[in-house]
Amino acid sequence: KNEVEQSPQNLTAQEGEFITINCSYSVGISALHWLQQHPGGGIVSLFMLSSGKKKHGRLIATINIQEKHSSLHITASHPRDSAVYICAVKGGGADGLTFGKGTHLIIQP
Amino acid sequence: KAGVTQTPRYLIKTRGQQVTLSCSPISGHRSVSWYQQTPGQGLQFLFEYFSETQRNKGNFPGRFSGRQFSNSRSEMNVSTLELGDSALYLCASSLNDIYGYTFGSGTRLTVV
Repeated sequence: KNEVEQSPQNLTAQEGEFITINCSYSVGISALHWLQQHPGGGIVSLFMLSSGKKKHGRLIATINIQEKHSSLHITASHPRDSAVYICAVKGGGADGLTFGKGTHLIIQP
Repeated sequence: KAGVTQTPRYLIKTRGQQVTLSCSPISGHRSVSWYQQTPGQGLQFLFEYFSETQRNKGNFPGRFSGRQFSNSRSEMNVSTLELGDSALYLCASSLNDIYGYTFGSGTRLTVV
């Protein structure tokens, strides 16, 4: 069973700061997902990665398969980025997603 | 295009009752997966269906079951409800394993 660890659990930063959220997993995977959850529960899929790096707007996600580690970066953070960011991994075959506990991010104006 | 639709949005049930939740995926998506989210355990995988076949099941008791219809709509059923089943139940659809997931808004179940 894959173990997914996220850090930090909570993060408060000032608007404009560069944000990094980390995710480590214990067993090889076929894909890693970064999800965003706002109060009220809705989840948005930000990235799906199997290697390398992806960028979408101010968000950047990277993955190092050998080190079993991924990072989510937010550049020029904004209060609307305040949310819970969740890392999830999918093993090979028909495995379902295994989730990290999430990182609660608050961006203060 | 329409997103993933879950009904109902909110539900209150009594211990011992059963409940059925519905999920309509994005048109063309054949994979539907279900998740339970609680404050204590976070998000946990329940099961995944692809073309009406259950592909995998998470570590939940047999009281939790699901099915997928030929139009890809899916239902999950929880029988003999317990207080601990109170949670946000989310479904997600996907075109296939190569693509990411699109999540519904969830059904918030309260068991009293």
